[in-house]
Amino acid sequence: EDKVVQSPLSLVVHEGDTVTLNCSYEVTNFRSLLWYKQEKKAPTFLFMLTSSGIEKKSGRLSSILDKKELSSILNITATQTGDSAIYLCAGDFNKFYFGSGTKLNVKP
Amino acid sequence: GAGVSQSPRYKVAKRGQDVALRCDPISGHVSLFWYQQALGQGPEFLTYFQNEAQLDKSGLPSDRFFAERPEGSVSTLKIQRTQQEDSAVYLCASSSSGIGEKLFFGSGTQLSVL
Repeated sequence: EDKVVQSPLSLVVHEGDTVTLNCSYEVTNFRSLLWYKQEKKAPTFLFMLTSSGIEKKSGRLSSILDKKELSSILNITATQTGDSAIYLCAGDFNKFYFGSGTKLNVKP
Repeated sequence: GAGVSQSPRYKVAKRGQDVALRCDPISGHVSLFWYQQALGQGPEFLTYFQNEAQLDKSGLPSDRFFAERPEGSVSTLKIQRTQQEDSAVYLCASSSSGIGEKLFFGSGTQLSVL
C-alpha cells in the first residue's frame, strides 16, 4: 500500500492559470510532509509542513497541511512556463516516502 | 561542499556488469539516503545512513545491491550483476541532523543497463 498518493498525475494549464496539487498520506508514524520541485534530476525543496492549518507561502506558491484529512495541497497562482516540472510530495515516516509526483506543464 | 555531488552523471553498463555509484554529501551532514527513481515515478527509498551506520536497508531490491559509508561522509552504492530492470536514476540525498530535517538532493546518476 502506498504511503503517499498524489493527484492528478499530470496537468496541462496555460500561463496565468491557478493550479492545486493534492497529496494524501497514511497516518502511521507520520512526522511531517515535504514538497519538492523536480525539473531535471535533483528535486529542490519547496516546503516542509508539520502543523495542521498553517499555510506556508513563497511567492506564488503556497501549501497547507490538513492532519484531519491526512492531506496537503500545493497551490501555484499566476502560473508561468518556468513552473513546468514534476512536483513531488514526501512524507517523513522516520524515513522519507515519496509519491509518484504530479507532472505540471504550463503552456504559453 | 556546496551541495550534494554524485558521480558519474551517466553510466551505461552491459547486463551482468558490476557498477559503483558515488555520493558526496554536503559537508557535515549526518544523514544520507539513496533513492531509485524509474521513469515517470517518484523516488523509491533504498537505504539510509546516519554517519557510518546503515540504519535501514529495507528498500534495497535484492542482495545484488550494497551500500556503504565507511567514514561517515562519502557513500557508494554498488550494484552487482546488473540487470535491465536496474535501469533508473539513482538519487542521493543528505540532511543535517537526521530524521525530521529536509533532504538536499544530488543530481543523480542515470544508469542504463543494456
